Amino acid sequence: DVKVTQSSRYLVKRTGEKVFLECVQDMDHENMFWYRQDPGLGLRLIYFSYDVKMKEKGDIPEGYSVSREKKERFSLILESASTNQTSMYLCASSPGGGLDTQYFGPGTRLTVL
Amino acid sequence: TQLLEQSPQFLSIQEGENLTVYCNSSSVFSSLQWYRQEPGEGPVLLVTVVTGGEVKKLKRLTFQFGDARKDSSLHITAAQTGDTGLYLCAGEVGGTSYGKLTFGQGTILTVHP
Repeated sequence: DVKVTQSSRYLVKRTGEKVFLECVQDMDHENMFWYRQDPGLGLRLIYFSYDVKMKEKGDIPEGYSVSREKKERFSLILESASTNQTSMYLCASSPGGGLDTQYFGPGTRLTVL
Repeated sequence: TQLLEQSPQFLSIQEGENLTVYCNSSSVFSSLQWYRQEPGEGPVLLVTVVTGGEVKKLKRLTFQFGDARKDSSLHITAAQTGDTGLYLCAGEVGGTSYGKLTFGQGTILTVHP
């Protein structure tokens, strides 16, 4: 079974702090994704990566950056957290090659005070 | 701007009833997926449809892809309490191998005993 793990289930940070969210997948998948999920808005893509050290902006990249130094790990960075970044963050991975299933982690509920 | 519109946003029904969830867009999708998400978990893939007019069945769930590949529906027959959850449609535009998806805003289904 594919497993996608996220470093924390719950996180509370203060405005202005630098926040790291880590995601690890164990199935040698090419693609990895970071989404945020807010009520009534579905999942919105922040960034994705199709290879090590490669990244592409999604629909809402402002205020975020990412890092993929190793194939299995994709990190989301909030350089200076703000209250409007309070949300559920979901990481996903997919094998690549078309008609991909995305496999999701359990999510990190981030609260910025 | 939401590329995929799901309706209804909320659905509350009794066990044994039938229901349909709709997913509509003005864009053509190369494939469309349906995911189900339970509280505290990430979304899990239910089905992928790729051909206009395609119908797929998964036990009591029937999925249809519109002829023009702009819309899809999920029909549940004789709903059970275990069907409760958030249902998300997601489309891939342009058929890139990166597997990038656009998600609808979701339908929260509650099935009462």
